[in-house]
Amino acid sequence: DVKVTQSSRYLVKRTGEKVFLECVQDMDHENMFWYRQDPGLGLRLIYFSYDVKMKEKGDIPEGYSVSREKKERFSLILESASTNQTSMYLCASSLEGRGNIQYFGAGTRLSVL
Amino acid sequence: DQQVKQNSPSLSVQEGRISILNCDYTNSMFDYFLWYKKYPAEGPTFLISISSIKDKNEDGRFTVFLNKSAKHLSLHIVPSQPGDSAVYFCAARGQGAQKLVFGQGTRLTINP
Repeated sequence: DVKVTQSSRYLVKRTGEKVFLECVQDMDHENMFWYRQDPGLGLRLIYFSYDVKMKEKGDIPEGYSVSREKKERFSLILESASTNQTSMYLCASSLEGRGNIQYFGAGTRLSVL
Repeated sequence: DQQVKQNSPSLSVQEGRISILNCDYTNSMFDYFLWYKKYPAEGPTFLISISSIKDKNEDGRFTVFLNKSAKHLSLHIVPSQPGDSAVYFCAARGQGAQKLVFGQGTRLTINP
């Protein structure tokens, strides 16, 4: 079974803090993705990566950056957290070309106070 | 600009009856469509998919229908079971693309 692990289930941070969300997958997938899920808006893509050290902006990259130094790990960074970044963050991974079936982690609920 | 739309935020169905979840899209370049199911406090899990060269795909109780001319797909669940209560997301992919575009989700509640 594919396993995508997000390091924290719940996080509470203060405005202006630098926040790291970590994601690790164990199936040697080339592609990794970061989404945020908000009520009424569904899943919106923040950033994705199709290879180590490669990244592409998604639909809502503002205020975020990412890092992929190893194939299995994809980090989402909030340089200076703001209250409008309070959300559920979901990481996913997929094989190249396998019908784009993405496998998701359980999510990190981030509250920025 | 919402390219994938699920216009019903919620749906309530009696156990044993058919559940029909709908999804519309605007981008005619989408060539692959997926449905995901999400329980609270869990990540979405893949349910069923369909390629644009087909108009129907079936997997047990789940069937997805694609109407390309109407840019519409639907997920049928029959018979509906209490464990089907979840949020359902449809998603679409452009040709050659690696990323998916998701709809807003529909919360399905199956009543006993």
